[in-house]
Amino acid sequence: EAQVTQNPRYLITVTGKKLTVTCSQNMNHEYMSWYRQDPGLGLRQIYYSMNVEVTDKGDVPEGYKVSRKEKRNFPLILESPSPNQTSLYFCASSFIPSRGRNTEAFFGQGTRLTVV
Amino acid sequence: DQQVKQNSPSLSVQEGRISILNCDYTNSMFDYFLWYKKYPAEGPTFLISISSIKDKNEDGRFTVFLNKSAKHLSLHIVPSQPGDSAVYFCAASAGYGNKLVFGAGTILRVKS
Repeated sequence: EAQVTQNPRYLITVTGKKLTVTCSQNMNHEYMSWYRQDPGLGLRQIYYSMNVEVTDKGDVPEGYKVSRKEKRNFPLILESPSPNQTSLYFCASSFIPSRGRNTEAFFGQGTRLTVV
Repeated sequence: DQQVKQNSPSLSVQEGRISILNCDYTNSMFDYFLWYKKYPAEGPTFLISISSIKDKNEDGRFTVFLNKSAKHLSLHIVPSQPGDSAVYFCAASAGYGNKLVFGAGTILRVKS
């Protein structure tokens, strides 16, 4: 079954304690990205990756890191979480969007993060 | 500055009637538009898309209309069913390798 898997689904942590949210896809997609969803703001892109070892900032990258050492995995790292990073996070993957080859993104089930 | 706007936070419709969800965009470089549906505790799932070379795309009960001159698109669901109750996100992208830009979402409630 084609899917994007995120872990954990729920996480409560304290300010400053490093954490990693994992994301894995089994569709051989080149393009992977992380979004956060906040009320009234929709989904905002944090970071994206167009292939292994190729990552770039999205709209709201401050306080986050990512890595893409393997094509299927794209972990999101919060080195020193703060309460304003409390949010619902989604990982997504797709083939690279291009003219004539537009494809939809597949999303994981989400990670509800609370930083206290 | 939100490039994709869904101005209606919520919409309530009677079962069997038409649901119309609206979306406006400001970036004239957008050339591909998508609608995603999201149920609670799940990730968004792709619903329907439209390229800027078209003005209409239909898939079963779902039709998306694109008005490029007005920078406006809409999603029509006919007939609406209780299972359609969800949050609907409009999204847009511009060309190669570019990100999807999402609207804030519209909560659709279909009453039986």
